[in-house]
Amino acid sequence: DAKTTQPTSMDCAEGRAANLPCNHSTISGNEYVYWYRQIHSQGPQYIIHGLKNNETNEMASLIITEDRKSSTLILPHATLRDTAVYYCIVDVSSGSARQLTFGSGTQLTVLP
Amino acid sequence: NAGVTQTPKFRVLKTGQSMTLLCAQDMNHEYMYWYRQDPGMGLRLIHYSVGEGTTAKGEVPDGYNVSRLKKQNFLLGLESAAPSQTSVYFCASSYEQRQYFGPGTRLTVT
Repeated sequence: DAKTTQPTSMDCAEGRAANLPCNHSTISGNEYVYWYRQIHSQGPQYIIHGLKNNETNEMASLIITEDRKSSTLILPHATLRDTAVYYCIVDVSSGSARQLTFGSGTQLTVLP
Repeated sequence: NAGVTQTPKFRVLKTGQSMTLLCAQDMNHEYMYWYRQDPGMGLRLIHYSVGEGTTAKGEVPDGYNVSRLKKQNFLLGLESAAPSQTSVYFCASSYEQRQYFGPGTRLTVT
């Protein structure tokens, strides 16, 4: 599985967009980019995933560069409840059980 | 749907004691997982199951055993607890490309 690199921490003002970067320069052609977050020691929560096209759902948008070596998770209007550790994970998509490899993630702090 | 639930939420054990952590899911998922998370670190996979009656080792299986007698339940056992097993334990189930996590069990071994 490809390794990911994320900044250790980021701040964002409440109501503004939060842009969380992730580098995955060794990603393979069949590997997806997944984002999870963990709020204050709760269980991780799935946010979004994508292969090469940009994706959007009710929580966030995922922008993947054309060469797929990096991506950005965008929370369009961050709230205080979005303060969490955000994990970028790359993994193949298959019908079998998958071990998600969680790194250290990015601690996002949304400031009032 | 309750999703993924874990019992107990907290537990303190003495070294050498045994215990079982219970994970239950009501989403009819085939795949279930046990992870541990140590302070300031990401999650590491202990064991997983691809269906009722089957289990497999993950990244850090030593000192743990698991059982999946019913599809909805995945049990994690510690036969002889050690201080190194002090951690937060998360159970998850998965469907397609998403994993759904429980709230965690905070275990302290003294």
